[in-house]
Amino acid sequence: GQQVMQIPQYQHVQEGEDFTTYCNSSTTLSNIQWYKQRPGGHPVFLIQLVKSGEVKKQKRLTFQFGEAKKNSSLHITATQTTDVGTYFCAGSFYNQGGKLIFGQGTELSVKP
Amino acid sequence: DGGITQSPKYLFRKEGQNVTLSCEQNLNHDAMYWYRQDPGQGLRLIYYSQIVNDFQKGDIAEGYSVSREKKESFPLTVTSAQKNPTAFYLCASSVGGTFHYNEQFFGPGTRLTVL
Repeated sequence: GQQVMQIPQYQHVQEGEDFTTYCNSSTTLSNIQWYKQRPGGHPVFLIQLVKSGEVKKQKRLTFQFGEAKKNSSLHITATQTTDVGTYFCAGSFYNQGGKLIFGQGTELSVKP
Repeated sequence: DGGITQSPKYLFRKEGQNVTLSCEQNLNHDAMYWYRQDPGQGLRLIYYSQIVNDFQKGDIAEGYSVSREKKESFPLTVTSAQKNPTAFYLCASSVGGTFHYNEQFFGPGTRLTVL
């Protein structure tokens, strides 16, 4: 079936460094959502991207949707210890009845 | 407070036993979902329901069953036919309509261990 691939699986950074996680699909996505899961917690919705080339910002977080709607990225500027957790992208395909397909997630650890 | 509750938080069962995981929401959401999460993997969809008395199989429905008799409740039964049931199970809900455009609200999850 159709998949959403997410890299890297793990990222260890020093506090203050930047962080980026990428999601890719071989098929055009209708939309993509991003979630954050803190250690021991449950996923929490961050944002949704729908339009080709869309860029959205939330404080230090920048989300992008590719022009072809096949890739997306989440960039965190100047990471803080509160950013620790696993970030998931989740995309929908036009022929999949609206189901969200989650990427494998990127686990971010931040060293103070 | 509105939200999604799942119980219990931890569940232990012997191999060969069926077990039912509870999921209740008071958000007045039409759509509800069950996901399975394994270490190092993303969430995989087991079943989903867009309306009461209707539900569809997700990507890994084998060995699982659900019911949706009430809008607020979407219990998941892990049957003995599920070959590898030990996992973290997450329930979610979203408003109705074109549901893949709606954010999903997740419950705290149930960690099932089959001994």
